[in-house]
Amino acid sequence: GAVVSQHPSWVICKSGTSVKIECRSLDFQATTMFWYRQFPKQSLMLMATSNEGSKATYEQGVEKDKFLINHASLTLSTLTVTSAHPEDSSFYICSSDLLSYEQYFGPGTRLTVT
Amino acid sequence: KNEVEQSPQNLTAQEGEFITINCSYSVGISALHWLQQHPGGGIVSLFMLSSGKKKHGRLIATINIQEKHSSLHITASHPRDSAVYICAVRYDYNTDKLIFGTGTRLQVFP
Repeated sequence: GAVVSQHPSWVICKSGTSVKIECRSLDFQATTMFWYRQFPKQSLMLMATSNEGSKATYEQGVEKDKFLINHASLTLSTLTVTSAHPEDSSFYICSSDLLSYEQYFGPGTRLTVT
Repeated sequence: KNEVEQSPQNLTAQEGEFITINCSYSVGISALHWLQQHPGGGIVSLFMLSSGKKKHGRLIATINIQEKHSSLHITASHPRDSAVYICAVRYDYNTDKLIFGTGTRLQVFP
């Protein structure tokens, strides 16, 4: 099946710094990728829809200037958490789908902001 | 109120037991997904349904469009089935966006 990778798998950063998370589709072209955030023992929350070659669509309540999304190619989308704060500590997951609408999820990135 | 509700929230079982997890949603959908999330966080798509029933190994998923309800069954449960099972729906044929349930945490003991 289709494979989606994420890098890094975990990251610790200091408050006020920025962190970039990469999401790659390894064996297919992904015109659309989704970024989710998951707090402990909660379900996934969609943050934004990333479209190749155009601006991302952010969900209500998600600050687009804080969570910068770039989808510059058909196989790579990046999420940059700018000026990170401890409350941004979470599990970030990306996903994409093929024409069949099957969803393929990345393994996730655990961000801890100290 | 969540648009997608799952029950139970937590479930424990002995190895070999038959497991049922339920999912209800509020409006018509184009597709429903059952996902499995292991303790490390990785998510695997188990099924995508728009009608009827699907089976894969010991897993069976059913959906009743009229009643807006889906069930995930696990036959002969095993400790390796321990995970969080998440129901997610797509409401619109023109979007890939999913709405997620809160998940059911399953623990199967030997």
